Amino acid sequence: DAGVTQSPTHLIKTRGQQVTLRCSPKSGHDTVSWYQQALGQGPQFIFQYYEEEERQRGNFPDRFSGHQFPNYSSELNVNALLLGDSALYLCASSLALGETQYFGPGTRLLVL
Amino acid sequence: DQQVKQNSPSLSVQEGRISILNCDYTNSMFDYFLWYKKYPAEGPTFLISISSIKDKNEDGRFTVFLNKSAKHLSLHIVPSQPGDSAVYFCAAHHNYGQNFVFGPGTRLSVLP
Repeated sequence: DAGVTQSPTHLIKTRGQQVTLRCSPKSGHDTVSWYQQALGQGPQFIFQYYEEEERQRGNFPDRFSGHQFPNYSSELNVNALLLGDSALYLCASSLALGETQYFGPGTRLLVL
Repeated sequence: DQQVKQNSPSLSVQEGRISILNCDYTNSMFDYFLWYKKYPAEGPTFLISISSIKDKNEDGRFTVFLNKSAKHLSLHIVPSQPGDSAVYFCAAHHNYGQNFVFGPGTRLSVLP
């Protein structure tokens, strides 16, 4: 049973560029959440998708947007990258809203 | 405003002894709590959870205790093994469907 997968594993971008990160949920899971983890901190909630709609959003600017596809996979898009966007981006999936979340390995983004 | 706190950034324990990781929360509405373990270059792995209707949950070497009046939970690992060396995150949420709030993590080192 494949767990949560994310691509790419690492990414280097420059300030002002745009980036798209991808996530495939665990088999049978229909809810996907995205988190940003800065060095030395816990994961910070960005947003959550269920039935192809954004259901909840954390305290992140509109530069962060997402999408969920009919097969439940998801994308995280970040526009106008800032140096402070450098972090590990984690995708988590769950059987339903509020259920235990299972994480992927993350995408490490470095903005220069 | 940090709703979930892990006040010990690091903890060292001898192999075979008990590891106790602590977590405090401020939001009395939280009703479901989880512990995750994270190795370097991997995403967080779900360990154990507890609902607010319980005060203890056990799974093998891992036991989570919840003290609602003190807004405190702890994770006990007995006996500790070198493979338990990782960063441990406490997470919480309230109301079914709400996102999870994570603490900053505690780095556990189990010494052989």
